[in-house]
Amino acid sequence: DGGITQSPKYLFRKEGQNVTLSCEQNLNHDAMYWYRQDPGQGLRLIYYSQIVNDFQKGDIAEGYSVSREKKESFPLTVTSAQKNPTAFYLCASSHRVGEQFFGPGTRLTVL
Amino acid sequence: AQSVTQLDSQVPVFEEAPVELRCNYSSSVSVYLFWYVQYPNQGLQLLLKYLSGSTLVKGINGFEAEFNKSQTSFHLRKPSVHISDTAEYFCAVSYNSGGYQKVTFGTGTKLQVIP
Repeated sequence: DGGITQSPKYLFRKEGQNVTLSCEQNLNHDAMYWYRQDPGQGLRLIYYSQIVNDFQKGDIAEGYSVSREKKESFPLTVTSAQKNPTAFYLCASSHRVGEQFFGPGTRLTVL
Repeated sequence: AQSVTQLDSQVPVFEEAPVELRCNYSSSVSVYLFWYVQYPNQGLQLLLKYLSGSTLVKGINGFEAEFNKSQTSFHLRKPSVHISDTAEYFCAVSYNSGGYQKVTFGTGTKLQVIP
């Protein structure tokens, strides 16, 4: 079955550590996105990529980094520079006209 | 800039009653419109979309929405809700900006169906 997978489902990080969240899709979509979700704030765009080896900052990119070496993969690294990283992170992909397909999410908690 | 407003953060409704979740948008360019549903600790699923054509669109689980260009609205409706409809609902607009297809989401409306 085609879809988007995110791993891990739950992730715990100590302060000062970098962590990487995985996102893989087999939908053959060109565009991929990372969102952060906090209660009452909806989804906020962190980074997006329209094609391989190209990505753009979203609204809240500070403290995050991404790579897009393969069409299927778009990992997100939460760096120690991100001051408040505890949140639910969602990855999505899109083929055309903005309709997005979402993964199940990763819940990151800073200890 | 494009924006989406969901005025109601929470909507309680009794089972089998009708419900309307409101969505208004602001845009200086043509947009496509979407409604997504999110169950606890899960990703978002597409409920329905408006791309062009008929302004009344039908989606999954008995939901429908009507695009009103003059009022810049895209309200979501269901004539009779079920307990399983309890979830958070997000309205979104998609538009082209500098050659990139971008999406802006509303802040969400939590629908609580009361038995």
